[in-house]
Amino acid sequence: EVQLQESGPSLVKPSQTLSLTCSVTGDSITSGYWNWIRKFPGNKLEYMGYISYSGGTYYNPSLKSRISITRDTSKNQNYLQLNSVTTEDTATYYCARGGGYFHWYFDVWGAGTTVTVSS
Amino acid sequence: DIVLTQSPASLAVSLGQRATISCRASESVDSYGNSFMHWYQQKPGQPPKLLIYRASNLESGIPARFSGSGSRTDFTLTINPVEADDVATYYCQQSNEDPYTFGGGTKLEIK
Repeated sequence: EVQLQESGPSLVKPSQTLSLTCSVTGDSITSGYWNWIRKFPGNKLEYMGYISYSGGTYYNPSLKSRISITRDTSKNQNYLQLNSVTTEDTATYYCARGGGYFHWYFDVWGAGTTVTVSS
Repeated sequence: DIVLTQSPASLAVSLGQRATISCRASESVDSYGNSFMHWYQQKPGQPPKLLIYRASNLESGIPARFSGSGSRTDFTLTINPVEADDVATYYCQQSNEDPYTFGGGTKLEIK
């Protein structure tokens, strides 16, 4: 069974960097696409980006200057960094596996981790 | 970005009846003979769960009460018959164009 689990600080100060880890079991991050998605208070979902089987990345242009997704294949983990956060970045952050031939949809999700940006 | 507009924002349906949720895209999400529209169910405190992929394909393990239809810009998720366990918020998502986008959600309640 494929399982994903997000971890990281639940509280981040404005202007600092949000850093989260997605730990994957039951599948290898050297295959497929591994995505980050967030859900804001009020229920809006936003696609943030992915890191691919080869280490290639794609970022939502709305975040492009602030986001970085990296990985450690030896630990089967990928990492989200979001710089210069504001209160607008308060959300529940999910990692998810891309499904279909080219990660058209998200077939396995982590439970999510809630991050609050506040001083 | 492709904007997905879901309607209604909320609906209340009696047990055993049909629920119909609409998702309209600001431009076509069809390519190469496929519709890149997908549907998720999210219950409070849980992550979204994939129900339907590429407009009409039922994800493994999802009951046949759920079905999807549509093409180009207009898509529908149908739940028939509705059961108590279906109380949740439902989202559509497109993957025809970067960045992928989600609809605003439809909250289903039991009447």
